[in-house]
Amino acid sequence: GAGVSQSPRYKVAKRGQDVALRCDPISGHVSLFWYQQALGQGPEFLTYFQNEAQLDKSGLPSDRFFAERPEGSVSTLKIQRTQQEDSAVYLCASSRGTGSYEQYFGPGTRLTVT
Amino acid sequence: ELKVEQNPLFLSMQEGKNYTIYCNYSTTSDRLYWYRQDPGKSLESLFVLLSNGAVKQEGRLMASLDTKARLSTLHITAAVHDLSATYFCAVDWELVFGKGTKLTVNP
Repeated sequence: GAGVSQSPRYKVAKRGQDVALRCDPISGHVSLFWYQQALGQGPEFLTYFQNEAQLDKSGLPSDRFFAERPEGSVSTLKIQRTQQEDSAVYLCASSRGTGSYEQYFGPGTRLTVT
Repeated sequence: ELKVEQNPLFLSMQEGKNYTIYCNYSTTSDRLYWYRQDPGKSLESLFVLLSNGAVKQEGRLMASLDTKARLSTLHITAAVHDLSATYFCAVDWELVFGKGTKLTVNP
């Protein structure tokens, strides 16, 4: 079946603009994660959903970052008033459930803030 | 706070040689993952290790886990060019990643 998809794949934003990044998880996957990967670094956890409930948002770097998954499927990561330090690849991953141990990653969205 | 350290961060090796990548983590965890990332691509799951002494092998790669030492190894046997990539270990349910090991296999 289809894997995790993300859109857009590339986004250029001017400093101060708002952006919205979309993630379509694998159908039926209960858990959804967002990670931020800066150039040359490992991914860093941002937030986690179980169905529509956001169970952990401790990794969101500031209150400019907001994530939602209103119907327990598609998720959107929104960044308000983008800053240059927000430039990174944003990765989405999904997993079958809390008892399932494997996360499947999407291709990522590369955000460049100019 | 859980910290994950990998070494080496850069590894250049010749085809046919063997080498090991190390992953240390700072607090107890019941799961460890290895991922591969090619340039400009996403993460591909290689291994999931869930118990002390777990060993998994796929082709030229073998991963092991020692939960008492908080150490996992990724052993490469008879490297080939196609293995060139960045390898990450990650720990815990909300994955905490190491910085990655960039592997280059030269002919």
